[in-house]
Amino acid sequence: AQSVTQLGSHVSVSEGALVLLRCNYSSSVPPYLFWYVQYPNQGLQLLLKYTTGATLVKGINGFEAEFKKSETSFHLTKPSAHMSDAAEYFCAVSDLGSNTGKLIFGQGTTLQVKP
Amino acid sequence: EAQVTQNPRYLITVTGKKLTVTCSQNMNHEYMSWYRQDPGLGLRQIYYSMNVEVTDKGDVPEGYKVSRKEKRNFPLILESPSPNQTSLYFCASRGGQFTYEQYFGPGTRLTVT
Repeated sequence: AQSVTQLGSHVSVSEGALVLLRCNYSSSVPPYLFWYVQYPNQGLQLLLKYTTGATLVKGINGFEAEFKKSETSFHLTKPSAHMSDAAEYFCAVSDLGSNTGKLIFGQGTTLQVKP
Repeated sequence: EAQVTQNPRYLITVTGKKLTVTCSQNMNHEYMSWYRQDPGLGLRQIYYSMNVEVTDKGDVPEGYKVSRKEKRNFPLILESPSPNQTSLYFCASRGGQFTYEQYFGPGTRLTVT
């Protein structure tokens, strides 16, 4: 069965600092991986995804993530945090082993950006 | 604009009073799902539908019903809501069997007292 673990339920960075949100997955098949962002009182917006091909994927708003099979990780990074990046971030893996079509989500990481 | 819409966005109700949360997508997607989001648990799938008249249980289906009479609509029904169904609910859709990117609605915050 697939699963996702996000390390750290809260991460706080200063504006302009590096953002690193950690995600590890467990999957018996090559995974399809996603990062979603949820701004307050809004739905989930896709930041980026990895399906096949290049392991470094770039997303919206300057975010990127690298798929590392050997480490079963898909960490999200951004070189310089903006105040507008404050939100909750979810890592997810697609449940490829069934017909449910579901995404299996991590617990979420709340990013706080301090001025 | 391609989107998933949900109504209502906020709902406060009492135990046992039947309610329906509507979901509609305008992308002609085959797959639709309902998730609930609870603090510290992320999102968990309640029900999903692979196409019209084809629905099945997700991970937490107890206390919920769904129907898929039209491709664009996928309502979530709580026949007898209970306080443990207080949560934030999201509808999502994706194109088909081999497309894995999901599009989410804005969410419905439900409180059952």
